[in-house]
Amino acid sequence: QKEVEQNSGPLSVPEGAIASLNCTYSDRGSQSFFWYRQYSGKSPELIMFIYSNGDKEDGRFTAQLNKASQYVSLLIRDSQPSDSATYLCAVTVDSNYQLIWGAGTKLIIKP
Amino acid sequence: NAGVTQTPKFQVLKTGQSMTLQCAQDMNHNSMYWYRQDPGMGLRLIYYSASEGTTDKGEVPNGYNVSRLNKREFSLRLESAAPSQTSVYFCASSEGQSNQPQHFGDGTRLSIL
Repeated sequence: QKEVEQNSGPLSVPEGAIASLNCTYSDRGSQSFFWYRQYSGKSPELIMFIYSNGDKEDGRFTAQLNKASQYVSLLIRDSQPSDSATYLCAVTVDSNYQLIWGAGTKLIIKP
Repeated sequence: NAGVTQTPKFQVLKTGQSMTLQCAQDMNHNSMYWYRQDPGMGLRLIYYSASEGTTDKGEVPNGYNVSRLNKREFSLRLESAAPSQTSVYFCASSEGQSNQPQHFGDGTRLSIL
C-alpha cells in the first residue's frame, strides 16, 4: 500500500517566523510532488509543485525534496495569519493519472 | 473565469435514494477526477477520466458510477445512497497525466440520513 504521511498538527508558529511542513512518501519511484492549501470548509488550492529534479521557490514559499529520505518539505517564510490553513501533500504513484494524498497538517499562525 | 464548477453545493438524501453530482470545467483539460474527503483522512480518488471517452476506478469506487459526458463534463452517480457515503465530494481537472497539477471545484457536501 503506497502511502503519504503528514503530521496532523496543529503546528503553531508565531507571525513572521518560518513555518516548516513535512510529508513522507513510501513509493521510491514517485516523480512529482504537490502542495495544496485548504481553508476550513473550502476546496484545496494549489500552492506549488516540484518534480524530482529539484527544489523550487515562489515568493514566500519553498518546496524541497529529499529523495534519499523520501520526504518533501514546504517552507513558508514571514508567516502571516492568512497562512493559517490545512496543508495537503500529494505525490504521484506509478499510475499515470493518480495521486496519493496525505491527510494534511493544520497550521496556525499566531499574531 | 469559472474553472471547475460543481452542483449542487449541499444535498441531504435518505438511505436508498439516488442522485447525480455534476461537474464541469472550462479550462479545456483532458483529465477529470472525483474525490471524497472525510474528516482526518486524505482525499480519496473515487473515479477518474484520463480523457474524453474513458473512465477508470480509483481507490474507493464501490457504490458509485461515473459518466464523462464530453470533454467539459464529468458526473458522479450514487445509485442507492448509504450513510457511509456521507462526505464532501470534490471534482478536479488537469491538463493530462499526474505530473500536471489538479484544479478543484468548490465541493458538494452530501449527507445521507
